[in-house]
Amino acid sequence: QKEVEQNSGPLSVPEGAIASLNCTYSDRVSQSFFWYRQYSGKSPELIMSIYSNGDKEDGRFTAQLNKASQYVSLLIRDSQPSDSATYLCAVFYSGGYQKVTFGTGTKLQVIP
Amino acid sequence: GAGVSQSPSNKVTEKGKDVELRCDPISGHTALYWYRQSLGQGLEFLIYFQGNSAPDKSGLPSDRFSAERTGGSVSTLTIQRTQQEDSAVYLCASSLDGTGGYGYTFGSGTRLTVV
Repeated sequence: QKEVEQNSGPLSVPEGAIASLNCTYSDRVSQSFFWYRQYSGKSPELIMSIYSNGDKEDGRFTAQLNKASQYVSLLIRDSQPSDSATYLCAVFYSGGYQKVTFGTGTKLQVIP
Repeated sequence: GAGVSQSPSNKVTEKGKDVELRCDPISGHTALYWYRQSLGQGLEFLIYFQGNSAPDKSGLPSDRFSAERTGGSVSTLTIQRTQQEDSAVYLCASSLDGTGGYGYTFGSGTRLTVV
């Protein structure tokens, strides 16, 4: 069974701090990794994608991928109350599983 | 269209009735997915369509659930003889293709309540 695991949280950080969200996945045969943000009562929204080892930065967001450790993370710098949401890690598995598997999400609370 | 469109946005139905949920993906997206999300839970995969290939139905929870995609575009998810445990938000997503190189764009979902 392919699995994507996240700490459910909530993760509370003060406004302006760095929020660090972590995700592990179970299978080495994976090629694409995504972070989605889901506000309460809304549908998930794609915010970051990463395909190779290392860091990828987009504004205040940085995604980090370490395939050897089967680990992907999302850093949010200068966290704002508007960042308060649930963040879903998602992994696309190749080799027959032609779809994305989602983690259950980490709830982030940014305290003003 | 500009985004993934789902209808209805809300549906309340009596136990035992059939319901149809509709999804209109982004124009040109060949891959279409149905997920459902129960209150406070993660996303549960239901079914996946890619082009003209046979759909991946491995996530459908029972034979009461079925889906079709006509002309490679609009999809309908049908739930027969609804049960209270079917209450959830049903999310449709589309992607440019099924290779995994692109993320999904989700619709705003259909909130189904079975009473």
